[in-house]
Amino acid sequence: NAGVTQTPKFQVLKTGQSMTLQCAQDMNHEYMSWYRQDPGMGLRLIHYSVGAGITDQGEVPNGYNVSRSTTEDFPLRLLSAAPSQTSVYFCASSLTSGGYRSGANVLTFGAGSRLTVL
Amino acid sequence: AQSVTQLDSQVPVFEEAPVELRCNYSSSVSVYLFWYVQYPNQGLQLLLKYLSGSTLVKGINGFEAEFNKSQTSFHLRKPSVHISDTAEYFCAVILVSGGYNKLIFGAGTRLAVHP
Repeated sequence: NAGVTQTPKFQVLKTGQSMTLQCAQDMNHEYMSWYRQDPGMGLRLIHYSVGAGITDQGEVPNGYNVSRSTTEDFPLRLLSAAPSQTSVYFCASSLTSGGYRSGANVLTFGAGSRLTVL
Repeated sequence: AQSVTQLDSQVPVFEEAPVELRCNYSSSVSVYLFWYVQYPNQGLQLLLKYLSGSTLVKGINGFEAEFNKSQTSFHLRKPSVHISDTAEYFCAVILVSGGYNKLIFGAGTRLAVHP
């Protein structure tokens, strides 16, 4: 039972480079999301998806792209990395985005990906 | 306005002492509230949640939280902490926007338990 798997765990980029953070879940969750964690700012929502083919912006979407071609995968793309994107990134999923009364929206988190942009 | 505010960035406490981590939420958001814990170098895991019903919610590891609608608060408490409770704790609230629910986090409170 893998849960939410993120790769890579660590990455160092130069300014202007592009890369993709991978996220996969094997729990048949409809809802997937990406957060970034910065000291003193908690976790901020970047993008989220409520199902295959449906994505939307969170609190801090600029500089990031996402797509959801399958239920299992939700990659996060940095097209031109900037030092301000140095952070720890977490992918999280839940059964649905609604259904809060049943607790179906409780998030399961991946272990995180630490990105440094020089 | 912030959807959720954690009033203390750091809370130092001695082992076996009681602790309270404070969280206030905006009255404009839903009242579906959560506390998550992050141990060093790990992802987040759910401690407890309030969806409806009893205002006192019990979670894992002896933690509990009380939903107070009049004070728009959801403070986390433990009567006697252990060294192993040293972690960062996040309060979170469901924000309903555009028909979808989004989980918004506070800035976190770092709990440091000393022997």
